[in-house]
Amino acid sequence: DAKTTQPTSMDCAEGRAANLPCNHSTISGNEYVYWYRQIHSQGPQYIIHGLKNNETNEMASLIITEDRKSSTLILPHATLRDTAVYYCIVTGRGSTLGRLYFGRGTQLTVWP
Amino acid sequence: KAGVTQTPRYLIKTRGQQVTLSCSPISGHRSVSWYQQTPGQGLQFLFEYFSETQRNKGNFPGRFSGRQFSNSRSEMNVSTLELGDSALYLCASSPGLADSYNEQFFGPGTRLTVL
Repeated sequence: DAKTTQPTSMDCAEGRAANLPCNHSTISGNEYVYWYRQIHSQGPQYIIHGLKNNETNEMASLIITEDRKSSTLILPHATLRDTAVYYCIVTGRGSTLGRLYFGRGTQLTVWP
Repeated sequence: KAGVTQTPRYLIKTRGQQVTLSCSPISGHRSVSWYQQTPGQGLQFLFEYFSETQRNKGNFPGRFSGRQFSNSRSEMNVSTLELGDSALYLCASSPGLADSYNEQFFGPGTRLTVL
């Protein structure tokens, strides 16, 4: 699985968009970008994933650059409940299913 | 659908003892993965079971073992506990099929303290 690099921490005002970057310059053609988050003392929660197209769901948007070497998770209107550690993970399918390698992630703090 | 459940939620053991943790996946999910989370090492993958077979394994000593039953429920065992085994142990379930994605659903975890 490709390695990812994320900032250690970020903060954001409530109601504003939170943009969390992730670098994955060694991503291979069949690997996906996944985002999970972990609110303090809870299990991680899946947010979104993508291959090369931008993706959007009810929680967030995922923007992947054309060369796929980096991506940005966007929380359009951050709330206090979005304060969490956000993990960017690159992984494939097939034999790597069920195995996720978490880095240190980005601690996002949303302030009122 | 009920979520992933883990029992017990909290556990206190002493060095040298062994412990068994249990995980019930979401109904229909055949893959169960286990993770250890500590402040020093973060979230680390232990192993994954699919259809009662260990399919993936992380880099942990043999003291850490697991198994999966025919109903997809899984147990994780740690023998000869060490102080460093104190951690939050998380399990996650997913469909696990070859054509599915790696979207995993995590349980609340079991907090193990080794004294």
